[in-house]
Amino acid sequence: DQQVKQNSPSLSVQEGRISILNCDYTNSMFDYFLWYKKYPAEGPTFLISISSIKDKNEDGRFTVFLNKSAKHLSLHIVPSQPGDSAVYFCAAFNFGNEKLTFGTGTRLTIIP
Amino acid sequence: DTEVTQTPKHLVMGMTNKKSLKCEQHMGHRAMYWYKQKAKKPPELMFVYSYEKLSINESVPSRFSPECPNSSLLNLHLHALQPEDSALYLCASSGTATDTQYFGPGTRLTVL
Repeated sequence: DQQVKQNSPSLSVQEGRISILNCDYTNSMFDYFLWYKKYPAEGPTFLISISSIKDKNEDGRFTVFLNKSAKHLSLHIVPSQPGDSAVYFCAAFNFGNEKLTFGTGTRLTIIP
Repeated sequence: DTEVTQTPKHLVMGMTNKKSLKCEQHMGHRAMYWYKQKAKKPPELMFVYSYEKLSINESVPSRFSPECPNSSLLNLHLHALQPEDSALYLCASSGTATDTQYFGPGTRLTVL
């Protein structure tokens, strides 16, 4: 049972434009959500998080939006840069069982 | 500083070998984790240590044996592994078990 899903396995975006990565979840008990970026053969790097009581969090070029009623979150990267090319995982944390559940990942390619 | 270090970076072992993976952090974090990641899949939680005590074991086979000698170190002892155990093994740490997790670079394990 995949509780956190990223339905787009890949996404290509022109350099300088906005990248929008999407994530859907099924468990309404998640308490906060995170985005990680991962290069091949490296560990995930934490990017940004959002509490379930908020609907937006911004950090530089990265903004995460949460729509609790739709059980949907998205990561906006603007402007997109070539170094942003990587696999992006959304993840959801449940205080109850103290577990972090990862989505399936989206490979983002920024085209120069 | 959010650095988690892991050694070795790569490991090749036979099915009868005994080896250990090591993880270290000096951020004063009191929760440490082992994850396993297969190609094109999200990381999967294996073990959680909180305040040097094993708090979560995700029904991992006994050929994987975790150890937390102190608050900065986490080991994963490997014995009699199978080829299907070949994967990227990721260590992570967080302030407490409900805080943001920071990942190490991983150990790429190949079992022959």
